[in-house]
Order: sequence, then C-alpha cells, then structure tokens
Amino acid sequence: DAGVIQSPRHEVTEMGQEVTLRCKPISGHNSLFWYRQTMMRGLELLIYFNNNVPIDDSGMPEDRFSAKMPNASFSTLKIQPSEPRDSAVYFCASSFYASGELFFGEGSRLTVL
Amino acid sequence: ELKVEQNPLFLSMQEGKNYTIYCNYSTTSDRLYWYRQDPGKSLESLFVLLSNGAVKQEGRLMASLDTKARLSTLHITAAVHDLSATYFCAVDGGGADGLTFGKGTHLIIQP
Repeated sequence: DAGVIQSPRHEVTEMGQEVTLRCKPISGHNSLFWYRQTMMRGLELLIYFNNNVPIDDSGMPEDRFSAKMPNASFSTLKIQPSEPRDSAVYFCASSFYASGELFFGEGSRLTVL
Repeated sequence: ELKVEQNPLFLSMQEGKNYTIYCNYSTTSDRLYWYRQDPGKSLESLFVLLSNGAVKQEGRLMASLDTKARLSTLHITAAVHDLSATYFCAVDGGGADGLTFGKGTHLIIQP
C-alpha cells in the first residue's frame, strides 16, 4: 500500500490567499484525521472524520478553516484567507477505526508570508 | 477530558546509557501507542500496546503498559545516536474522540 498521501508537500503563499491541502487515506481505513504541528503548540488535532462524516471539529482554529471528505479516498483542508500564524506542518492520518493505530502522511509544510 | 503527560519533555544522553521515558494518562484505557518522529519527518508507529501488562520490544527500545497505574514506559537500552528523535505516546480514551497525544519527548543521544 502506498500509505497516506498528502499534497502539496510544501506550500508558500502570501497572506490573504486561499490554501487547499489534500489527503488520500489508506484504502480501507474508515477514519481520517487532520493535525497541525508547530514548535510552539506541538501536535494539535484539527478535525476527524469517521466514514466520511465529520465527528469532531472542535480543534479547527476558526471559520477560516474548513475540511471536507467527499468520499472515502479523498479529503481537503482549506484555509481562506490564510494568515502568517497558520504557518505549520499539516499532517493527515488515517486508521481502521477512530481509536486505532494511526498512519500518518508525510505532511504539508505551509508557509504564509 | 483525557490528559496525557510525558516526561521528560527533553532528554540529552550519551551513547551506551540506558534511560526511560514515561507516559502517564488520566483516565482508564487499555490501548496505547508510541510514535517516533525524526526532524522534518512524519510520525512513524513504533509500538501498539493493547492490554495491561503488554510488553513490546524492537531492537534497543522496549515499551510496556500498566493500565492500573495508567502508565506506559519506553525504555532505551545502550542508546545509539540513531535513536535521536522525538517520541510521542498516544492514548485511546475509549470514546469517539480518537487518540490523545502527549507533548512528545525530544531525545538527543550524543556520541
């Protein structure tokens, strides 16, 4: 299996621009998670889906962030408009079930200037 | 709310020494995971501990779980530089909330 696939791996954008991060989970996994990692705040859970349905989005920082999972093999995390404080590494992870072993993608490193 | 605490958060040690990283959690759980993260890389699953008394070993690393004490340990034997990384524990709180991660232990092993 190819593992969890994220794109882009690196994104540099200017403040105010829209950013879309993409994730393809491992086939057969029912749960998908978006995390954000920074030096200051560590690893933060933003949102997770179970069977394509958002279960907990309490970690989403504010209305500028949105996430979708239109089908079992694709999810997006969108930031609009982006701000410099959104600069971080965004990880997508998937698992067979919500509390199972997580498999992480390589991450998308976002820099907002 | 499940809380997961790791200590130490930062550890610098010499090659050849033994040391233990601790992971305490606040509510009952019998599922705990350890992950490794190298600088600039993703998190890689190391151990899956699914019951009280579970012990897993891989090379110089050994992880154990004591659900009654709500404690997991990651023991490093005769450390080598290649083990330098950040180690996270993650706990299943039993609900539909997914895993709760500790803050990570940044481990530096010096020659």
